[in-house]
Amino acid sequence: NAGVTQTPKFQVLKTGQSMTLQCAQDMNHNSMYWYRQDPGMGLRLIYYSASEGTTDKGEVPNGYNVSRLNKREFSLRLESAAPSQTSVYFCASVSVHEQYFGPGTRLTVT
Amino acid sequence: RKEVEQDPGPFNVPEGATVAFNCTYSNSASQSFFWYRQDCRKEPKLLMSVYSSGNEDGRFTAQLNRASQYISLLIRDSKLSDSATYLCVVNPRLQGAQKLVFGQGTRLTINP
Repeated sequence: NAGVTQTPKFQVLKTGQSMTLQCAQDMNHNSMYWYRQDPGMGLRLIYYSASEGTTDKGEVPNGYNVSRLNKREFSLRLESAAPSQTSVYFCASVSVHEQYFGPGTRLTVT
Repeated sequence: RKEVEQDPGPFNVPEGATVAFNCTYSNSASQSFFWYRQDCRKEPKLLMSVYSSGNEDGRFTAQLNRASQYISLLIRDSKLSDSATYLCVVNPRLQGAQKLVFGQGTRLTINP
């Protein structure tokens, strides 16, 4: 029972490059979320998926797209990375009472 | 004004001391409240939910004051392993997706 897994753990991109962050959960939860965490800012919601087949914007969606591939997987895509997207990205799988976070992806955009 | 505000610290306290954090929230209609713990370079994990009547889990006590819109966390007999960042978290919604709002966190270091 792995819980929530994220890949990759670390990534360095050049400005303008694209990449997809992968997230998977084995807890059979309907809802999955993507956050970014920056120093002094707390976690901010990028996108979320309340159930398979649905996605919605969070607080800071600009520059990102998401795909809820199936109940287990929720990916986050950066089409054209910018230095402002340097951050730590957390995926979360959500039950009624708790959010379970993955280990995070540390992304640096140069 | 931020939706959820915390003193970022750092708080440096000796082992065995009692330490308390407060957190304020701006949305008076907020429905549920939590404290999460985040170790350095790790993901956040739920420490405890906060109920209107207050609740205790071992050395940890959480309180909610709806009238003043603040949440507190008290740690008694602090241990070295309590060193972490403590995130105050608010869910403003009664129904629908759980869109949590996170404070920036309070950093705590317990010194031997």
